[in-house]
Amino acid sequence: AQSVTQLDSQVPVFEEAPVELRCNYSSSVSVYLFWYVQYPNQGLQLLLKYLSGSTLVKGINGFEAEFNKSQTSFHLRKPSVHISDTAEYFCAVGNTGTASKLTFGTGTRLQVTL
Amino acid sequence: DTGVSQDPRHKITKRGQNVTFRCDPISEHNRLYWYRQTLGQGPEFLTYFQNEAQLEKSRLLSDRFSAERPKGSFSTLEIQRTEQGDSAMYLCASSKQGSNQPQHFGDGTRLSIL
Repeated sequence: AQSVTQLDSQVPVFEEAPVELRCNYSSSVSVYLFWYVQYPNQGLQLLLKYLSGSTLVKGINGFEAEFNKSQTSFHLRKPSVHISDTAEYFCAVGNTGTASKLTFGTGTRLQVTL
Repeated sequence: DTGVSQDPRHKITKRGQNVTFRCDPISEHNRLYWYRQTLGQGPEFLTYFQNEAQLEKSRLLSDRFSAERPKGSFSTLEIQRTEQGDSAMYLCASSKQGSNQPQHFGDGTRLSIL
């Protein structure tokens, strides 16, 4: 069984400020990790993924995330946010075996203001 | 790549009625997933297909729910005798084969039970 914890349900931040959205996971097997973004009344868009190799992963829209195996974390960061980054962000974990389903966290609402 | 398409976008129905949703995956993707997302939560896995074979079903998928992918292309999700608790966003995703392949999501079907 695997689970994902997103500790912050909401993160308010001013435009051009840096932001970190936290994600911790639990799994008994090796995992793949993903961050998705969801805008209102839309589906989920893939921001970035960690499969293997370098623990620092760069994604779209200037986002990056770092995989930390010892802390079972995969925090999402952006050095300077824009108003357009306001959305819901979901961390998800999939295992490296044959099962394909993703387990999602409960999401973090990023609210960017002027 | 025309993306994952879901129809309808919104469905309002009375309790006890049957509803059916359709998902058209990205054409070269042989895996297709259904998730359910309730307000303030992350998506929860329901079931997935590889080609026309349904390979896994969640315990969330009661016997009132049935999903099909008869020709390995589009899929339908039917809910019989709908209940208030079925109100949610139903998301479809598709991917290429392989647990490291990212899932691409449609915009979902929002179901409201009166």
